[in-house]
Amino acid sequence: GDSVTQMEGPVTLSEEAFLTINCTYTATGYPSLFWYVQYPGEGLQLLLKATKADDKGSNKGFEATYRKETTSFHLEKGSVQVSDSAVYFCALSGSTGANSKLTFGKGITLSVRP
Amino acid sequence: GAGVSQTPSNKVTEKGKYVELRCDPISGHTALYWYRQSLGQGPEFLIYFQGTGAADDSGLPNDRFFAVRPEGSVSTLKIQRTERGDSAVYLCASSSGLAGDVQFFGPGTRLTVL
Repeated sequence: GDSVTQMEGPVTLSEEAFLTINCTYTATGYPSLFWYVQYPGEGLQLLLKATKADDKGSNKGFEATYRKETTSFHLEKGSVQVSDSAVYFCALSGSTGANSKLTFGKGITLSVRP
Repeated sequence: GAGVSQTPSNKVTEKGKYVELRCDPISGHTALYWYRQSLGQGPEFLIYFQGTGAADDSGLPNDRFFAVRPEGSVSTLKIQRTERGDSAVYLCASSSGLAGDVQFFGPGTRLTVL
Protein backbone atom coordinates (compact mmCIF):
# COMPACT_ATOMS: atom_id res chain seq x y z
CA GLY A 1 0.00 0.00 0.00
CA ASP A 2 0.87 3.67 -0.05
CA SER A 3 3.30 5.02 2.52
CA VAL A 4 5.15 8.23 3.38
CA THR A 5 8.45 8.41 5.24
CA GLN A 6 9.67 11.59 6.88
CA MET A 7 13.04 12.26 8.43
CA GLU A 8 13.25 11.86 12.18
CA GLY A 9 12.79 14.90 14.35
CA PRO A 10 12.59 17.18 16.15
CA VAL A 11 14.51 19.88 14.33
CA THR A 12 15.75 23.04 16.04
CA LEU A 13 17.15 25.91 13.99
CA SER A 14 18.16 29.50 14.55
CA GLU A 15 16.21 32.24 12.84
CA GLU A 16 17.29 32.83 9.21
CA ALA A 17 18.79 29.35 8.90
CA PHE A 18 18.15 27.17 5.85
CA LEU A 19 15.58 24.41 6.27
CA THR A 20 15.27 21.03 4.57
CA ILE A 21 12.77 18.42 5.70
CA ASN A 22 13.06 15.15 3.81
CA CYS A 23 10.05 13.19 2.58
CA THR A 24 9.96 10.06 0.43
CA TYR A 25 6.96 8.06 -0.64
CA THR A 26 5.85 4.68 -1.94
CA ALA A 27 2.75 4.57 -4.12
CA THR A 28 1.26 2.91 -7.17
CA GLY A 29 -0.03 5.12 -9.93
CA TYR A 30 0.46 8.87 -9.93
CA PRO A 31 -0.24 10.41 -6.54
CA SER A 32 -0.60 14.05 -5.65
CA LEU A 33 1.79 15.22 -2.94
CA PHE A 34 1.16 17.65 -0.10
CA TRP A 35 2.78 19.35 2.84
CA TYR A 36 0.43 20.16 5.70
CA VAL A 37 1.38 22.26 8.72
CA GLN A 38 -0.02 22.33 12.24
CA TYR A 39 0.82 25.47 14.20
CA PRO A 40 0.60 25.34 18.00
CA GLY A 41 -3.03 25.22 19.10
CA GLU A 42 -4.36 25.17 15.55
CA GLY A 43 -5.70 22.58 13.12
CA LEU A 44 -4.01 21.03 10.11
CA GLN A 45 -3.75 23.35 7.14
CA LEU A 46 -2.37 22.93 3.66
CA LEU A 47 1.05 24.50 3.11
CA LEU A 48 1.66 23.50 -0.51
CA LYS A 49 0.94 20.80 -3.08
CA ALA A 50 2.14 19.32 -6.37
CA THR A 51 0.05 17.12 -8.60
CA LYS A 52 2.50 15.75 -11.17
CA ALA A 53 6.17 14.97 -11.66
CA ASP A 54 8.55 17.98 -11.71
CA ASP A 55 5.84 20.32 -10.39
CA LYS A 56 7.04 22.72 -7.72
CA GLY A 57 4.66 23.76 -4.96
CA SER A 58 5.39 26.96 -3.07
CA ASN A 59 3.83 29.07 -0.34
CA LYS A 60 5.06 31.43 2.42
CA GLY A 61 8.65 31.02 1.23
CA PHE A 62 8.49 27.22 1.41
CA GLU A 63 9.08 25.09 -1.69
CA ALA A 64 8.93 21.41 -2.58
CA THR A 65 9.48 19.70 -5.94
CA TYR A 66 7.75 16.46 -6.96
CA ARG A 67 10.61 14.11 -7.93
CA LYS A 68 9.27 10.91 -9.41
CA GLU A 69 12.71 9.45 -10.12
CA THR A 70 13.65 9.59 -6.45
CA THR A 71 10.06 9.37 -5.12
CA SER A 72 10.70 12.42 -2.99
CA PHE A 73 9.02 15.69 -2.04
CA HIS A 74 11.50 17.47 0.22
CA LEU A 75 10.41 20.72 1.87
CA GLU A 76 12.82 23.67 1.82
CA LYS A 77 12.92 27.25 3.01
CA GLY A 78 15.83 29.60 2.58
CA SER A 79 15.42 31.57 5.80
CA VAL A 80 13.17 30.34 8.60
CA GLN A 81 11.40 32.57 11.08
CA VAL A 82 10.27 31.98 14.65
CA SER A 83 6.70 31.96 13.33
CA ASP A 84 7.52 28.83 11.27
CA SER A 85 7.70 26.77 14.45
CA ALA A 86 5.13 24.03 13.92
CA VAL A 87 4.64 20.37 13.08
CA TYR A 88 5.03 19.56 9.38
CA PHE A 89 3.39 16.56 7.69
CA CYS A 90 4.12 15.18 4.26
CA ALA A 91 1.19 13.39 2.62
CA LEU A 92 0.05 11.80 -0.63
CA SER A 93 -3.30 11.07 -2.20
CA GLY A 94 -5.04 9.89 -5.27
CA SER A 95 -2.68 7.13 -6.32
CA THR A 96 -5.59 4.80 -7.07
CA GLY A 97 -8.75 6.08 -8.65
CA ALA A 98 -10.74 9.05 -7.46
CA ASN A 99 -10.49 8.32 -3.75
CA SER A 100 -8.42 11.18 -2.43
CA LYS A 101 -7.78 9.76 1.01
CA LEU A 102 -4.53 11.10 2.41
CA THR A 103 -1.66 8.98 3.62
CA PHE A 104 0.49 10.95 6.05
CA GLY A 105 4.00 10.67 7.34
CA LYS A 106 4.62 10.80 11.09
CA GLY A 107 5.28 14.53 11.08
CA ILE A 108 8.28 16.47 12.26
CA THR A 109 8.40 19.23 14.85
CA LEU A 110 10.33 22.34 13.86
CA SER A 111 11.41 24.83 16.51
CA VAL A 112 13.02 28.10 15.42
CA ARG A 113 15.03 30.08 18.00
CA PRO A 114 15.24 33.88 17.83
CA GLY B 1 -19.87 27.62 5.63
CA ALA B 2 -16.72 29.20 6.96
CA GLY B 3 -14.82 25.99 7.50
CA VAL B 4 -15.08 22.46 8.77
CA SER B 5 -16.43 22.34 12.29
CA GLN B 6 -16.35 19.48 14.77
CA THR B 7 -18.17 18.94 18.03
CA PRO B 8 -17.42 18.40 20.79
CA SER B 9 -13.87 19.74 20.91
CA ASN B 10 -13.14 17.47 23.85
CA LYS B 11 -14.84 14.30 25.02
CA VAL B 12 -13.96 12.32 28.12
CA THR B 13 -15.69 9.01 28.59
CA GLU B 14 -15.33 5.80 30.51
CA LYS B 15 -14.25 2.49 29.09
CA GLY B 16 -17.21 0.63 27.65
CA LYS B 17 -19.33 3.69 26.91
CA TYR B 18 -20.73 4.79 23.57
CA VAL B 19 -19.68 8.10 21.95
CA GLU B 20 -20.71 10.13 18.94
CA LEU B 21 -18.49 12.69 17.24
CA ARG B 22 -19.97 15.18 14.81
CA CYS B 23 -18.51 16.82 11.70
CA ASP B 24 -20.00 19.70 9.74
CA PRO B 25 -18.15 20.05 6.40
CA ILE B 26 -17.68 23.08 4.20
CA SER B 27 -20.91 23.83 2.37
CA GLY B 28 -21.06 22.19 -1.06
CA HIS B 29 -18.23 19.73 -0.42
CA THR B 30 -19.35 16.28 -1.50
CA ALA B 31 -16.39 14.37 -0.07
CA LEU B 32 -15.92 13.90 3.66
CA TYR B 33 -13.13 12.05 5.45
CA TRP B 34 -12.51 10.89 8.98
CA TYR B 35 -8.98 10.42 10.31
CA ARG B 36 -7.55 9.48 13.68
CA GLN B 37 -4.36 11.02 15.05
CA SER B 38 -2.57 9.41 17.95
CA LEU B 39 0.05 11.30 19.93
CA GLY B 40 3.25 11.78 17.96
CA GLN B 41 1.82 10.28 14.77
CA GLY B 42 0.37 11.54 11.54
CA PRO B 43 -3.36 11.27 10.91
CA GLU B 44 -4.56 7.83 9.82
CA PHE B 45 -7.46 7.37 7.43
CA LEU B 46 -10.66 5.85 8.79
CA ILE B 47 -13.49 6.34 6.29
CA TYR B 48 -14.42 8.34 3.20
CA PHE B 49 -17.88 9.47 2.09
CA GLN B 50 -18.84 10.61 -1.37
CA GLY B 51 -22.28 12.10 -0.87
CA THR B 52 -24.32 9.93 1.46
CA GLY B 53 -22.49 6.68 0.85
CA ALA B 54 -19.33 5.34 2.45
CA ALA B 55 -17.09 4.87 -0.59
CA ASP B 56 -14.18 3.46 1.42
CA ASP B 57 -14.33 2.28 5.03
CA SER B 58 -11.13 0.25 4.89
CA GLY B 59 -9.52 2.29 7.65
CA LEU B 60 -12.07 1.55 10.35
CA PRO B 61 -10.15 -0.55 12.91
CA ASN B 62 -13.01 -2.88 13.88
CA ASP B 63 -16.80 -3.18 14.00
CA ARG B 64 -17.05 -0.95 17.08
CA PHE B 65 -16.53 2.00 14.74
CA PHE B 66 -19.28 3.21 12.44
CA ALA B 67 -20.00 6.45 10.59
CA VAL B 68 -23.00 7.90 8.82
CA ARG B 69 -23.76 10.83 6.57
CA PRO B 70 -27.50 10.49 5.95
CA GLU B 71 -28.12 13.72 4.02
CA GLY B 72 -24.76 14.12 2.37
CA SER B 73 -23.64 16.93 4.65
CA VAL B 74 -23.12 16.42 8.41
CA SER B 75 -21.43 13.20 9.43
CA THR B 76 -21.34 11.36 12.73
CA LEU B 77 -18.62 8.95 13.80
CA LYS B 78 -19.93 6.47 16.33
CA ILE B 79 -17.78 4.35 18.63
CA GLN B 80 -19.32 1.56 20.69
CA ARG B 81 -17.83 -0.05 23.81
CA THR B 82 -14.96 2.40 23.88
CA GLU B 83 -11.52 1.18 24.89
CA ARG B 84 -8.55 3.10 26.28
CA GLY B 85 -6.75 2.54 22.99
CA ASP B 86 -9.42 4.60 21.22
CA SER B 87 -8.06 7.74 22.89
CA ALA B 88 -6.86 10.06 20.13
CA VAL B 89 -7.76 13.19 18.20
CA TYR B 90 -10.42 12.46 15.60
CA LEU B 91 -10.15 14.71 12.57
CA CYS B 92 -12.70 15.39 9.90
CA ALA B 93 -11.89 16.85 6.48
CA SER B 94 -13.92 17.78 3.43
CA SER B 95 -13.15 18.47 -0.21
CA SER B 96 -14.82 18.94 -3.56
CA GLY B 97 -14.39 15.23 -4.24
CA LEU B 98 -12.07 15.49 -7.23
CA ALA B 99 -9.00 13.24 -7.20
CA GLY B 100 -6.05 14.98 -5.59
CA ASP B 101 -8.11 17.96 -4.48
CA VAL B 102 -7.21 19.77 -1.29
CA GLN B 103 -8.78 18.54 1.89
CA PHE B 104 -9.73 21.11 4.50
CA PHE B 105 -9.49 19.92 8.07
CA GLY B 106 -11.54 20.68 11.11
CA PRO B 107 -10.01 21.39 14.52
CA GLY B 108 -10.61 17.83 15.70
CA THR B 109 -12.25 16.16 18.67
CA ARG B 110 -9.92 14.98 21.41
CA LEU B 111 -11.35 11.75 22.79
CA THR B 112 -10.08 10.46 26.12
CA VAL B 113 -11.24 7.06 27.34
CA LEU B 114 -10.58 6.54 31.04
